[in-house]
Amino acid sequence: GAVVSQHPSWVICKSGTSVKIECRSLDFQATTMFWYRQFPKQSLMLMATSNEGSKATYEQGVEKDKFLINHASLTLSTLTVTSAHPEDSSFYICSARGMGREKLFFGSGTQLSVL
Amino acid sequence: QKEVEQNSGPLSVPEGAIASLNCTYSDRVSQSFFWYRQYSGKSPELIMSIYSNGDKEDGRFTAQLNKASQYVSLLIRDSQPSDSATYLCAVSKPAGFGNEKLTFGTGTRLTIIP
Repeated sequence: GAVVSQHPSWVICKSGTSVKIECRSLDFQATTMFWYRQFPKQSLMLMATSNEGSKATYEQGVEKDKFLINHASLTLSTLTVTSAHPEDSSFYICSARGMGREKLFFGSGTQLSVL
Repeated sequence: QKEVEQNSGPLSVPEGAIASLNCTYSDRVSQSFFWYRQYSGKSPELIMSIYSNGDKEDGRFTAQLNKASQYVSLLIRDSQPSDSATYLCAVSKPAGFGNEKLTFGTGTRLTIIP
């Protein structure tokens, strides 16, 4: 199956700093990428949808100026959590879909802990 | 009403028995249905997808879809301890080509008892 690589797998940072998470599709061109957040014992909540070369579409309640998404190429999307605070501590997961493909392929996730 | 509802469990099933997981969804325009397995601290892994009414079997897994009742289920036969995980039901609606969003339920935690 297709492979989506997400990096880093975990990160600890100080409050007020910014953290960048990368999501790469290794063997297919990801025309659409999705970013999810999952708090402990809760389900995945979609944060935003990004298409290569265009601005991301954010879900209601997600601050676009805080969670910066860049999808500059067909194989790479990044999520930057700016001025992170402890309440941003969560499991962030990306997923990717190729042109004409129904299935989503998930990255391995990034556990963010903000001190 | 949540878009996708699942019983959070935990559901305990003896090894070798059949585990039955249920999910209901609220939006009738939903067209694609998925079951994902998620181990603690890991990302979801696709188990089954189903698009039309009826049953779909893949090895020990059977997905069942009833669009009239807005109900989708997953049966796991001959349950193994390695099946212990949280099972997420996900539903997608058409939102433009390539942008179909997945909405997840809260998941059912399944424990297989040796």
